Amino acid sequence: ETGVTQSPTHLIKTRGQQVTLRCSSQSGHNTVSWYQQALGQGPQFIFQYYREEENGRGNFPPRFSGLQFPNYSSELNVNALELDDSALYLCASSPRTSGFTDTQYFGPGTRLTVL
Amino acid sequence: QKEVEQNSGPLSVPEGAIASLNCTYSDRVSQSFFWYRQYSGKSPELIMSIYSNGDKEDGRFTAQLNKASQYVSLLIRDSQPSDSATYLCAPSNTGFQKLVFGTGTRLLVSP
Repeated sequence: ETGVTQSPTHLIKTRGQQVTLRCSSQSGHNTVSWYQQALGQGPQFIFQYYREEENGRGNFPPRFSGLQFPNYSSELNVNALELDDSALYLCASSPRTSGFTDTQYFGPGTRLTVL
Repeated sequence: QKEVEQNSGPLSVPEGAIASLNCTYSDRVSQSFFWYRQYSGKSPELIMSIYSNGDKEDGRFTAQLNKASQYVSLLIRDSQPSDSATYLCAPSNTGFQKLVFGTGTRLLVSP
């Protein structure tokens, strides 16, 4: 158990709909990263939030957006869902420190299916 | 060229053997390297991190890093059936704190 929680566990949506996924970071962690993992692939970086500001973004379109709240929890929003958005969405928290990249601890993930 | 390359496997080893998992990466400025284990249908679980050239041992696991060759590996000694999973290699550039994952190597340990 990493202390990172995500909700919901599973979600089924139809094309064109919008979805919000939620993540609570581990106690003491102020950085949250979101990843998308398609079947048979490694996780792909979507974006990262540090102290409520976006701190880097991967190669995902603007319809993927996020928020981080003062308690460091986070949301991932996806608009205009497409079939290819079906994937496991992973949230990872880390305790931003100076020096090397901080270890990221993953939550259990949200399985999104788009029909 | 992919940013991170791993043999997808499956790598099959008998129980008690040493499993050797390899990873090459293309970003020369990568400074931090992580190995995660992922069971089917679950999220990645951290096994080890390594930052300096050489070996780092933690129990049955040894990570090896060679930055000049852009190569990182994970050795699992005394492999157990419970080690059967997909192992993900993830280098990271400190300046941009994202993990870049390979597709992972599937390990099968037979009793």
